[in-house]
Amino acid sequence: DIQMTQSPSSLSASVGDRVTITCRASQNINTYLSWYQQKPGKAPKLLIYGASTLHSGVPSRFSGSGSGTDFTLTISSLQPEDFATYYCQQSQSSIMYTFGQGTKLEIK
Amino acid sequence: QITLTESGPTLVKPTQTLTLTCTFSGFSHSTAGVAVGWIRQPPEKALEWLAHIYWNDAKFYSTSLKSRLAITKDSSKNQVVLTMTNVDPVDTGTYYCAHLHTSNYHSYDFWGQGTLVTVSS
Repeated sequence: DIQMTQSPSSLSASVGDRVTITCRASQNINTYLSWYQQKPGKAPKLLIYGASTLHSGVPSRFSGSGSGTDFTLTISSLQPEDFATYYCQQSQSSIMYTFGQGTKLEIK
Repeated sequence: QITLTESGPTLVKPTQTLTLTCTFSGFSHSTAGVAVGWIRQPPEKALEWLAHIYWNDAKFYSTSLKSRLAITKDSSKNQVVLTMTNVDPVDTGTYYCAHLHTSNYHSYDFWGQGTLVTVSS
């Protein structure tokens, strides 16, 4: 099975900061990587798919990059509504998908 | 627009079988490229992928739970059903169903609100 490792597990930042979250796959997943945002008590929301394509309606301050095994999610200027938990997910292996363990983004 | 709604019991006893139903609208499960998946989340823990079923009835399961899961679809009713046998308290959590299309790199682009299942005697 492909393992997904996110770092950091938690992060404190301020409104206006630029933030980067990293996701590493245990083997090559090309660009079959998605990012989700989840707020407490709510279902996850798709932010980015194909490693770098912004899902419809997602603000342009979110961006994704990477291919192969190393990926990043960047928020260029944090807004109050961005404080949440972020998950990466691989879909290279259609046999079994895998989520990362999550990164909790908190207000400093 | 696409909507999905999970339904099922809120409380299940250990060793029993859990049956969850995902009822959806706004898309057809007969359309090429479409799949519906199940993802769960124990309280205060990470998301865990469980299974999904494609438009052509291809089914895929989590390696660790494969022996306990079964996923089926009824395209005429716009429903997908997930059954989990021999449940344990560690299966407690929120269960989500979600829509996937292969054209979006197999990402889950629409999610239900989730249903909380507690396994306890």
